Amino acid sequence: AQSVTQPDIHITVSEGASLELRCNYSYGATPYLFWYVQSPGQGLQLLLKYFSGDTLVQGIKGFEAEFKRSQSSFNLRKPSVHWSDAAEYFCAVGAQGGGADGLTFGKGTHLIIQP
Amino acid sequence: GAGVSQSPSNKVTEKGKDVELRCDPISGHTALYWYRQSLGQGLEFLIYFQGNSAPDKSGLPSDRFSAERTGGSVSTLTIQRTQQEDSAVYLCASSLHRGMNQPQHFGDGTRLSIL
Repeated sequence: AQSVTQPDIHITVSEGASLELRCNYSYGATPYLFWYVQSPGQGLQLLLKYFSGDTLVQGIKGFEAEFKRSQSSFNLRKPSVHWSDAAEYFCAVGAQGGGADGLTFGKGTHLIIQP
Repeated sequence: GAGVSQSPSNKVTEKGKDVELRCDPISGHTALYWYRQSLGQGLEFLIYFQGNSAPDKSGLPSDRFSAERTGGSVSTLTIQRTQQEDSAVYLCASSLHRGMNQPQHFGDGTRLSIL
């Protein structure tokens, strides 16, 4: 079964600084990988996804993520954060087949932006 | 509407009562997913539908949980004889077709509180 680890429960970053959120996955085949963001009281919004091909993927809101198979990682990055980026971020892995079409999520990283 | 719609947004009920949560997916989306988000367990996949069929119900937490989808559109998640551990946010998502290469679009969820 697949699993996702987000090692950082909370991260605090100054506005304008760069950001990297870590994600490690465990899956026996080529994974489908996703990053979602959740603002308080709202559902999850897809930031970006990786299925195959170029290992550096671009997403919305200036985010990007890099798939590194050798490290089983899919870290999310942003060069310069804005106060509006404060939210909960979830990394997820997907598998297909056997009816297991649901996503497996990490526990999330709470991003705090300091002025 | 343009997005996934869930109702009610909030539900407070007494232990032992039955509750019904509704999800209206994006028009034309054939796949529909239910997740549960709780403080202790994070985001858990519960069940998915392809059309009106749910091939795998093993993700439902107990036999008090059931879900159905009719007309290939609206889905309801029913919890019978609610318990306090059922308190959580229940999220619904839909995608154009089944498969992990189809991004899942989430609703804002139903926050369920069991007194």
